[in-house]
Amino acid sequence: GAVVSQHPSWVICKSGTSVKIECRSLDFQATTMFWYRQFPKQSLMLMATSNEGSKATYEQGVEKDKFLINHASLTLSTLTVTSAHPEDSSFYICSAHNRATSSYEQYFGPGTRLTVT
Amino acid sequence: SQQGEEDPQALSIQEGENATMNCSYKTSINNLQWYRQNSGRGLVHLILIRSNEREKHSGRLRVTLDTSKKSSSLLITASRAADTASYFCATDMGNRLAFGKGNQVVVIP
Repeated sequence: GAVVSQHPSWVICKSGTSVKIECRSLDFQATTMFWYRQFPKQSLMLMATSNEGSKATYEQGVEKDKFLINHASLTLSTLTVTSAHPEDSSFYICSAHNRATSSYEQYFGPGTRLTVT
Repeated sequence: SQQGEEDPQALSIQEGENATMNCSYKTSINNLQWYRQNSGRGLVHLILIRSNEREKHSGRLRVTLDTSKKSSSLLITASRAADTASYFCATDMGNRLAFGKGNQVVVIP
């Protein structure tokens, strides 16, 4: 149980285009999903927290107009990187948390590697 | 502020040896969690220790928590080549996890 998937697992796009990354909780309802960014050999940096049916809460320094997050259902959240630039190339990881279970754990997806050329 | 700073950051050991990693944090926490990440993959939850616990075991893993010193340690006993990975501690502050810098552990067969 508690499986989180991400799609795509990797994507290459041209500078100026937009890329959408999906995060799905496969066997539980995720009331909250988190999006992280990880540069090579570095730690995870929280980008935003999204609660189902409401607007995402972005961390300081994260551009909400550039990183669009939608959490329209209890099993799906999407991150859209708009007008991507090479500096947006990174490993994006989502996680899901079901507060209804009183569990403190977050279940992580396998990550999406984005390369912007 | 940076939460969960592990020390050391890189560790290379022989198979069968124990590996110890430390983590310090700065604010009050609900619990502290340890995760493993294989290269280029997502995170796998290893163990959670609550703020009112001092030690916890799970298989070959032993975690300690000292809230007075705001520090935690992760011990992997009898390491295996498959334990080669990055290990992160994360502090749960109620509505988010704050990850530390991570420890790269290489277990040499």
